[in-house]
Amino acid sequence: QKEVEQNSGPLSVPEGAIASLNCTYSDRGSQSFFWYRQYSGKSPELIMFIYSNGDKEDGRFTAQLNKASQYVSLLIRDSQPSDSATYLCAVDQGFQKLVFGTGTRLLVSP
Amino acid sequence: DAEITQSPRHKITETGRQVTLACHQTWNHNNMFWYRQDLGHGLRLIHYSYGVHDTNKGEVSDGYSVSRSNTEDLPLTLESAASSQTSVYFCASSPGSEAFFGQGTRLTVV
Repeated sequence: QKEVEQNSGPLSVPEGAIASLNCTYSDRGSQSFFWYRQYSGKSPELIMFIYSNGDKEDGRFTAQLNKASQYVSLLIRDSQPSDSATYLCAVDQGFQKLVFGTGTRLLVSP
Repeated sequence: DAEITQSPRHKITETGRQVTLACHQTWNHNNMFWYRQDLGHGLRLIHYSYGVHDTNKGEVSDGYSVSRSNTEDLPLTLESAASSQTSVYFCASSPGSEAFFGQGTRLTVV
């Protein structure tokens, strides 16, 4: 079974700080990587995807991918209380099927 | 706006009954997926489809079936509901790798 690992948290950061969320994956052949945000009782919402090594920025969010280390991360700058949610890392295991990590719970305190 | 909808949002059923959860999308996506989400397990793939009349088993398919008679719908059937199938079920569709989720169905089997 191809695996995606995340620290369950909670990760607590103060408002305005940078939150760093990490994910490792086992399948070295994986090509596409996704970050979803899930508020309690809601469905996952796609935040970002990344295909190439390096950084990809979108507003306050930056996804980082290191295929050699099989590591993908999400940075949230200027964290807001509204960013408090569970963040799911997902990896395309082939044929557009996603394998999800169990998620990291982020708490941003005012 | 195009969307993906699930029904019902909440369902309580008895052990042994057949249950069908509906999923309808208006994006005209070929790919559709069913996941279940449980504490400690994250999102796990049940069944998926790449187009009309195509269905495939996912990681946790035992006790579930799907059919795809048109592009818009992928109903999920629990043949004989078991308490272990109490969960939150999410349907998703995708044009490629990135998946977009419905609101979810909370199913309780008593």
